[in-house]
Amino acid sequence: RKEVEQDPGPFNVPEGATVAFNCTYSNSASQSFFWYRQDCRKEPKLLMSVYSSGNEDGRFTAQLNRASQYISLLIRDSKLSDSATYLCVVKWSTGGFKTIFGAGTRLFVKA
Amino acid sequence: DGGITQSPKYLFRKEGQNVTLSCEQNLNHDAMYWYRQDPGQGLRLIYYSQIVNDFQKGDIAEGYSVSREKKESFPLTVTSAQKNPTAFYLCASSIGGLGASYNEQFFGPGTRLTVL
Repeated sequence: RKEVEQDPGPFNVPEGATVAFNCTYSNSASQSFFWYRQDCRKEPKLLMSVYSSGNEDGRFTAQLNRASQYISLLIRDSKLSDSATYLCVVKWSTGGFKTIFGAGTRLFVKA
Repeated sequence: DGGITQSPKYLFRKEGQNVTLSCEQNLNHDAMYWYRQDPGQGLRLIYYSQIVNDFQKGDIAEGYSVSREKKESFPLTVTSAQKNPTAFYLCASSIGGLGASYNEQFFGPGTRLTVL
């Protein structure tokens, strides 16, 4: 089992749709969680951190489920500009500090 | 403007050559990192440095070397010992090191290395 797993997609959705991505992680002692966005042939940029209580930033909502060991990202009212790859990132400190990047989920939003 | 710069953007190397990728940051961050990204895979850590004159191997350090003589600079050398060097190389920095929990990493624009 990979340490961090994401559905690679691609997800093809129309503008205005709601889309959700999940990311599962293997280490139950994971401490912090993030979603990064990466545009084609560009560097990743932080979209949002994911806190235990869940958090929202405009059209984006992130949630953490420690019992089932996954995080999710919900995008409401999708825009064309949301088309990108979304990377799940998990940090833990067992056996040494590690930051693990998922392979990413590709999203295409169509007009 | 504060940020991270990487050069060159594209690099072509012949087999058997060593090449050095540049990474500079003016964010005053202590920690710096080098990652490699291959299609269909997550970023993999090559080396990281939490302070000047100190660096640690990541998960795939074989065939690579680094130095950290200045806080602002963390160059990566891809040696001829790296058997499959063609990839997208990303440099990052952060205020705290790997041990800091919610600690955003800021990435440079990357260097695409192709071995001919």
